[in-house]
Formats: sequence, C-alpha cells, structure tokens
Amino acid sequence: AQKVTQAQTEISVVEKEDVTLDCVYETRDTTYYLFWYKQPPSGELVFLIRRNSFDEQNEISGRYSWNFQKSTSSFNFTITASQVVDSAVYFCALSGFSGNTPLVFGKGTRLSVIA
Amino acid sequence: SQTIHQWPATLVQPVGSPLSLECTVEGTSNPNLYWYRQAAGRGLQLLFYSVGIGQISSEVPQNLSASRPQDRQFILSSKKLLLSDSGFYLCAWATGFAISEAFFGQGTRLTVV
Repeated sequence: AQKVTQAQTEISVVEKEDVTLDCVYETRDTTYYLFWYKQPPSGELVFLIRRNSFDEQNEISGRYSWNFQKSTSSFNFTITASQVVDSAVYFCALSGFSGNTPLVFGKGTRLSVIA
Repeated sequence: SQTIHQWPATLVQPVGSPLSLECTVEGTSNPNLYWYRQAAGRGLQLLFYSVGIGQISSEVPQNLSASRPQDRQFILSSKKLLLSDSGFYLCAWATGFAISEAFFGQGTRLTVV
C-alpha cells in the first residue's frame, strides 16, 4: 500500500527564515509520482510541483526548492526567506505511474510565518 | 481549458438526513475522479476514486458511497449522516494516464448537527 508521512504537524518560523518541510513515502511501485500542494486559509488546494521517480534532480523555483532522495524515500520541500504569505498547510502526495492508482496525501504540515 | 465544479460550498445537515454532493468536470475526457475529506485540523483522507463510468474504488469503509453516472460527474452520497461525517469535502480530477497533477474543486464544508 502507498503511504505518505509528514512527521511535522506544525511549524512556526519568523519571516525571512528558511524552513524545510519533510515528506517520507512508501510504495511498492518502481515508478511513481510525488507532489506538493499548498492549502491557504481559503481552503483550495494549489498545486506546487510534480516529480517522477525517474528524475532525482533537485528543483528550484524562486524561493521554493525540492530535494528528492530515492535512497531514503524522501521528498523534502524548502522555502527560502519565508514570507507571511507562505503561511498555509502543505501536503505531500504520492501516486502510482499508471494513473489507475489513487493519489494519496500525507496529513499535512501547517506552516505559520510570523512577521 | 479544464474546470471543475463542486457544490454546494457549505452545507448544514441534521444527523440522519441524506447527503448528495456533486462534482462535474469540463474540458477533459475520461478523467480520474477523487473524493477526499479533510476533518478539522487533519489531513486529506481519500474516500473514493474512479477511473471510469461506474467504476468506484473505496479506500475507507464508512457511511458514505460514491457514484459516477457520467464520464465527468462524480457524486458523493449518504443515506443517513452521522456527526462524524462533518468535514471539508474536496473533489478532484486528474488525467488517467501518466497522472498529471490533480485539480481540485473549491470544496464543500459540511456540518452535521
């Protein structure tokens, strides 16, 4: 069975600090996709990134970066120079490659950035 | 472009009453469809997913059921609501092959009283 663990329930940082959100996953699939979503206070889910299991290159998008390590089954998300607008719940998710497997989410990490 | 509609946005229902939440997708064919529930302060729990008309997979046995009567329509139902059914329900779709990111509806906040 597929499983995503986000061990950090809540994190609080001061604005401009860097913060890393951890994600550990379990799957028997050899090919799979990993995702990060952001849920601001309004409730909708905003897609941030998709990473397939073939590609272990780290990715950077502005202040966001992702570290995918297959050896440790982790897909961590770092926000550099955090801002108040980054305050949200962040979800890591996992799906099998075929599309006929469900998209499974972790329990989320609530990030609070304090001015 | 693809859009997903989910309604109603909020709902207050008494215990024991029936439930029907509807989700429709536009602009794509044969999507994978998902129902998730988010209880207060908790993560997203996958309830049901569907890879085609009439094909429903249930992830968690409970007081709810789902149906997909048309390719782009996904319905979440209950015959008798429980207090524990309260939560934020999200419908989502994704492409069926080489899954893309899932696109989510605006959600329905259900309060069972």
